[in-house]
Amino acid sequence: AQSVAQPEDQVNVAEGNPLTVKCTYSVSGNPYLFWYVQYPNRGLQFLLKYITGDNLVKGSYGFEAEFNKSQTSFHLKKPSALVSDSALYFCAVRERKNSGYSTLTFGKGTMLLVSP
Amino acid sequence: EADIYQTPRYLVIGTGKKITLECSQTMGHDKMYWYQQDPGMELHLIHYSYGVNSTEKGDLSSESTVSRIRTEHFPLTLESARPSHTSQYLCASSPHIERETQYFGPGTRLLVL
Repeated sequence: AQSVAQPEDQVNVAEGNPLTVKCTYSVSGNPYLFWYVQYPNRGLQFLLKYITGDNLVKGSYGFEAEFNKSQTSFHLKKPSALVSDSALYFCAVRERKNSGYSTLTFGKGTMLLVSP
Repeated sequence: EADIYQTPRYLVIGTGKKITLECSQTMGHDKMYWYQQDPGMELHLIHYSYGVNSTEKGDLSSESTVSRIRTEHFPLTLESARPSHTSQYLCASSPHIERETQYFGPGTRLLVL
């Protein structure tokens, strides 16, 4: 089965500093990888995805993620954090089901707290 | 923001009641999903559908049922609510051409007393 791991429950960073939220994956075949963000009392919002092509993927709100096949990682990054970036971040991977259809399997989530 | 709607946003109900959580999308997406989100954050897939009259159970065993009679509508029903059903329920949809990118509704927070 495909899976993703987010090793940090929480990441703390000061405003203006670079941030990294970590994600590692385990898949058979080529991975489809995603990052989502969830603000309080809201659904998840799509940030970016890697399907194929350049290893550095740029997404919404200034976020980017680097696909590293040798390290099986897909870390989310931003050069300069904002207080408004404080939220819950989820990494996800495509998984093919026995039904023949595909779904997403999500990591446990990482809470990002950006202090002023 | 994606055009996917969930009602009600919040629901407090007594044990044994039948409830239906509504989910609708106006984007014509073929694929739709229901997730249950724990208080501790993790999402679990409970149902998905790849089109009208197509429904599948997800990874987390659930006593809920779903139906997909129309493309835009994917309601989730609990015949007899229990306190263990207390959770947040998130609905999502995905167009076939976007390779699994899912767009989420705002969620329904359910409390069963």
